[in-house]
Amino acid sequence: QQQVKQSPQSLIVQKGGISIINCAYENTAFDYFPWYQQFPGKGPALLIAIRPDVSEKKEGRFTISFNKSAKQFSLHIMDSQPGDSATYFCAATDSGSARQLTFGSGTQLTVLP
Amino acid sequence: NAGVTQTPKFQVLKTGQSMTLQCAQDMNHEYMSWYRQDPGMGLRLIHYSVGAGITDQGEVPNGYNVSRSTTEDFPLRLLLAAPSQTSVYFCASRSIDREVLTFGAGSRLTVL
Repeated sequence: QQQVKQSPQSLIVQKGGISIINCAYENTAFDYFPWYQQFPGKGPALLIAIRPDVSEKKEGRFTISFNKSAKQFSLHIMDSQPGDSATYFCAATDSGSARQLTFGSGTQLTVLP
Repeated sequence: NAGVTQTPKFQVLKTGQSMTLQCAQDMNHEYMSWYRQDPGMGLRLIHYSVGAGITDQGEVPNGYNVSRSTTEDFPLRLLLAAPSQTSVYFCASRSIDREVLTFGAGSRLTVL
């Protein structure tokens, strides 16, 4: 079963716009929520991550918003650029699972120039 | 520093053939893992290891074998390849006390 549900599957945004990708989880034991970015032909790489003790984390143009009661978290990319075009994966893990990451299904983001 | 190195980058097999995907890391990471990436399915864990001599199954282990004889290497073996194993395979590693995974560049496998 899919423990982390990610939407949308694909997203097209104009340059300068805001990209928003959403994830929802079921397991309340999850305590670490990273986002990975993957460019074509490359492996995923950590972009930004959050723990449930805060509701928001910002790094440059990238922000994670976290809603513990709703069991949802989202990635916001402000002032989206063509160089942000990539596949984005949300993920989650908990300390009781050898910290195995459970990944969402991925979102392919295209930022038009 | 090379990070995580996977070979080969591309491979075509016929049904029933066997092959090994190689993975090596030079970061002295205790934890190593194999994922497969399929459209719309995200990254699914095949097998993982928390140290030399220790391996365990992930979400989709059937049809794959692994071994961990050294800290650096974690090969993935397909014994009887099937078309359902057509996928992109990623090896990833991390320190045992951290959550950040370092991924290799991937190996694209096609089984005809």
